[in-house]
Amino acid sequence: AQSVTQLGSHVSVSEGALVLLRCNYSSSVPPYLFWYVQYPNQGLQLLLKYTTGATLVKGINGFEAEFKKSETSFHLTKPSAHMSDAAEYFCAVIEDTGRRALTFGSGTRLQVQP
Amino acid sequence: EPEVTQTPSHQVTQMGQEVILRCVPISNHLYFYWYRQILGQKVEFLVSFYNNEISEKSEIFDDQFSVERPDGSNFTLKIRSTKLEDSAMYFCASSENSDRRNEQFFGPGTRLTVL
Repeated sequence: AQSVTQLGSHVSVSEGALVLLRCNYSSSVPPYLFWYVQYPNQGLQLLLKYTTGATLVKGINGFEAEFKKSETSFHLTKPSAHMSDAAEYFCAVIEDTGRRALTFGSGTRLQVQP
Repeated sequence: EPEVTQTPSHQVTQMGQEVILRCVPISNHLYFYWYRQILGQKVEFLVSFYNNEISEKSEIFDDQFSVERPDGSNFTLKIRSTKLEDSAMYFCASSENSDRRNEQFFGPGTRLTVL
């Protein structure tokens, strides 16, 4: 079964600083990879996804993530944090076995300090 | 912009009671899902639904749970006899078609509290 590990349940950065949220997955075959964001009292919103092709994917709000097969990682980055980026971020995978269920990591709460 | 909606936003019920959580998926979407998140835990998949039948379900989705698409717009999750451990945020999601690469669009969730 797939598992997704997000290192750091809470990350705090200063406004304008680099954002790095880590995600590692366990799989012998690359799955489909997703990052979702959840703002307070809202549903999960897709930030970006990797399915095939270019390993560096760009998403909304200036976020990007790089799929590294050798490291089984899909870390999320943003060069300069904004106060509005404060939210909870979830990494998720879909197994390559024909299933459609998303398997989520435990989430990382991002705080942005002024 | 089309969105998934869920009602109610918060449901409080007594243990042993039946609850029905309602969702209106995006209108041209064909795949529907329920997930839940117990406080402080991961978001977990419950069930997916396509062409009026369950496509996939997790171990959590036991006989106490059922899903239905009673009309052309609603998608419901019923819990027959709620337990304390059913307290969670329940998210509905929908996707356009059977392509697994497609985005699943999530609703804002229903917080279920079982007393």
